[in-house]
Amino acid sequence: QVRLVESGGGVVQPGTSLTLSCVASGLTFNKYGMHWIRQPPGKGLEWVTFMSYDGDEKWYGEAVRGRSTMSRDNPRNAFYLQLHSLRADDTAVYYCATDGAHRDIGYWGQGTLLTVS
Amino acid sequence: QSVLTQPPSVSAAPGQKVTISCSGSSSNIGRDPVSWYQQFPGAVPKLLIYDNDKRPSGIPDRFSGSKSGTSATLAITGLQTGDEADYYCGAWDISQSWVFGGGTKLTVL
Repeated sequence: QVRLVESGGGVVQPGTSLTLSCVASGLTFNKYGMHWIRQPPGKGLEWVTFMSYDGDEKWYGEAVRGRSTMSRDNPRNAFYLQLHSLRADDTAVYYCATDGAHRDIGYWGQGTLLTVS
Repeated sequence: QSVLTQPPSVSAAPGQKVTISCSGSSSNIGRDPVSWYQQFPGAVPKLLIYDNDKRPSGIPDRFSGSKSGTSATLAITGLQTGDEADYYCGAWDISQSWVFGGGTKLTVL
């Protein structure tokens, strides 16, 4: 079965940088576009970023545009998000998720909690 | 403020039907399929409806979706207490961003 495992969250100070990682299994990773989606405690879902299956297209949400960088390593089935100049409002559970075949978001990881404080 | 607009909460009795609306614009719902996600407290969101009205394998037919113009609706019939969750609509936007609704909390009275 498809499994997405995020890591890299934790408690960090404002103004610092962090890299979140997502490792996929059970799917042909190099055929999937990938998303990062976050959810602040007690709040709704917020889309963060998208990268196409081949890495050619990179789209960033307004909240992180200009202070984040995505990358992927298809041979290692891995997807990354670097966040810089972290702020308190970046505090959230960060999910990686696959882009679905029908313009949806198909598979979700368990999430990793980032706390900026 | 979310790009897609959902009611914050809905409620109904067990066995009844409830609908959740999702209002967007010609930049998102009006031009792209809508999907719906179900999230139980403390759990990971799960794809519930895709391509406006299709159910992934394993989703009961009590859940249905529809779309008309720039709005979409999720309907749940035969409500069960186990359906209590947050429900989110989502779609691609012309701005090369994915947009979610603010989420709707379903309470089964």
